[in-house]
Amino acid sequence: DVKVTQSSRYLVKRTGEKVFLECVQDMDHENMFWYRQDPGLGLRLIYFSYDVKMKEKGDIPEGYSVSREKKERFSLILESASTNQTSMYLCASSLPVSPYEQYFGPGTRLTVT
Amino acid sequence: ILNVEQSPQSLHVQEGDSTNFTCSFPSSNFYALHWYRWETAKSPEALFVMTLNGDEKKKGRISATLNTKEGYSYLYIKGSQPEDSATYLCAFKLNTGNQFYFGTGTSLTVIP
Repeated sequence: DVKVTQSSRYLVKRTGEKVFLECVQDMDHENMFWYRQDPGLGLRLIYFSYDVKMKEKGDIPEGYSVSREKKERFSLILESASTNQTSMYLCASSLPVSPYEQYFGPGTRLTVT
Repeated sequence: ILNVEQSPQSLHVQEGDSTNFTCSFPSSNFYALHWYRWETAKSPEALFVMTLNGDEKKKGRISATLNTKEGYSYLYIKGSQPEDSATYLCAFKLNTGNQFYFGTGTSLTVIP
């Protein structure tokens, strides 16, 4: 059974803190993604990684960075958390070939106060 | 950012009713259209992966059709059950790049 896990289901941080969200997949997938989901906006891509140490910006990378040191792990970093980064964060992984079906983690609901 | 639209935004139906939702996407440079079901407190899960114009997929009481020339896909649920209550997301991929563009979802509530 394929699995994508995220380090926390709920997280509360203060403005200005550095925040790490971790994602681990056990399917040996090359592709990994970080999305945020906000009411009325759908899932928006923050960053994408297609291999270890490789990354591409998505639609909303500002205020975020990522790290992929190992194939199974993709970390999202909020360098200095702000209240407008309060959101649901979803990690996903997929193979790099068709049909590109994505497997999602359960999400982390981050609140920045 | 590409525009992928889903309608309706939310839907309440009685148990046993049949229902359908729409996903609209750009009709040019199409590669794939995915449907995902996202139940509360769970991870989104793929329902259908569609790549060919005219594709029809079925899984139990749920089916989907695809029209790439006009840029839409329909998801049908026959005889809705309370366990069908979820948000249904569609995701569109161009024939270039690695990104999927998600719609805002249709939230379905099936009332027993």
